Amino acid sequence: GAVVSQHPSRVICKSGTSVKIECRSLDFQATTMFWYRQFPKQSLMLMATSNEGSKATYEQGVEKDKFLINHASLTLSTLTVTSAHPEDSSFYICSAPPGGAGTDTQYFGPGTRLTVL
Amino acid sequence: EDQVTQSPEALRLQEGESSSLNCSYTVSGLRGLFWYRQDPGKGPEFLFTLYSAGEEKEKERLKATLTKKESFLHITAPKPEDSATYLCAVCRGSARQLTFGSGTQLTVLP
Repeated sequence: GAVVSQHPSRVICKSGTSVKIECRSLDFQATTMFWYRQFPKQSLMLMATSNEGSKATYEQGVEKDKFLINHASLTLSTLTVTSAHPEDSSFYICSAPPGGAGTDTQYFGPGTRLTVL
Repeated sequence: EDQVTQSPEALRLQEGESSSLNCSYTVSGLRGLFWYRQDPGKGPEFLFTLYSAGEEKEKERLKATLTKKESFLHITAPKPEDSATYLCAVCRGSARQLTFGSGTQLTVLP
């Protein structure tokens, strides 16, 4: 299957700082990537859709000024959590569909555990 | 609004004891239904994509089936290494966004 990587895998930061998380598709190009958040013992919740060369689209209730998304190339999307607070502590996971006719399968990265002190 | 409900929430099996996990969905214009496996602290690992009612797919001890209202993930003679949370998700529309169920946490005891 297709490979998606994330960096870093784990980050601890102080309240008020900004954190950048990278999502890369290693063996395919992705014009679209997705960012999810997962709280303990809960399922994945879609935060936003990252579109290469255009603005991201955010799900209802997700602050676009707090969660900045940049899809700079066909293999890289970044999520920046600005002015992070303890309630932003979560597991952030990206996904990408390799595309191609008749397939919508998304492959997920290994996730980034964010802890805000 | 798309809804995905998985049952049971948790399932404990003895090694070799076959069972099924259920995923009920309500979505207009299903584009695809997906099964993933998630181990603690890791991202979901892709298992199957099903596109139309009647479709079945198999991989080792796992078999996924799809009807117009639900999908089943059958686990035959499970092993302890099959212990994980199994997630079901539906995709609707050209945006290819996924809506996930809450998952079934499977524990297989040796």
